[in-house]
Amino acid sequence: QSVLTQPPSVSAAPGQKVTISCSGSSSNIGNNYVSWYQQLPGTAPKLLIYENNKRPSGIPDRFSGSKSGTSATLGITGLQTGDEADYYCGTWDSSLRAVFGGGTKLTVL
Amino acid sequence: QLQLQESGSGLVKPSQTLSLTCAVSGGSISSGGYSWSWIRQPPGKGLEWIGYIYHSGSTYYNPSLKSRVTISVDRSKNQFSLKLSSVTAADTAVYYCARVGGYCSGGSCYPSYFDYWGQGTLVTVSS
Repeated sequence: QSVLTQPPSVSAAPGQKVTISCSGSSSNIGNNYVSWYQQLPGTAPKLLIYENNKRPSGIPDRFSGSKSGTSATLGITGLQTGDEADYYCGTWDSSLRAVFGGGTKLTVL
Repeated sequence: QLQLQESGSGLVKPSQTLSLTCAVSGGSISSGGYSWSWIRQPPGKGLEWIGYIYHSGSTYYNPSLKSRVTISVDRSKNQFSLKLSSVTAADTAVYYCARVGGYCSGGSCYPSYFDYWGQGTLVTVSS
């Protein structure tokens, strides 16, 4: 049982847009930055979004993040087959301990 | 470009201690005020944070593992380590090391994200 709640799976067609939600509480998302990670099959997670909506160098602007209250959302536009992966949200609690969502499997139909 | 590489025993017997090391290259483990973390992923499951060591040397652990975990840094070797005692089959997972990025506010600094990850190493607990 993960501290943050994500949908187990989402799907959309190539070229379309998809959003992935991440729900928490006032003790984690509500008072801390959210980050998002992409895990392609058989590889390590990769930082996609940090501090709610910032993209590391090299991450295309097709990926975006937002936060409102105790929830966060990852958006991906112009879907490509190479975007098929597991996506995880993460944040910290009031005791400076990291927590993750259970992960969302994105399928590009 | 910063690189992290896990190493250690891939097979550990139940009740024994799991030991892993993360070698950092392309940068000093002591510079920039960064913290260093371990995260694991059981086969077919999601990510579980194990703990991290702050640049000051303070450690923070997942409450569910705290009694069994030790994270330490060897600055002379530019590496940090994980020890997990009294392992069971439930500790079988891919173990990742990662750098913790953060921000400072009001004179204090806080962890915020994991920006560099090792490739991961599978540790199996079995007799």
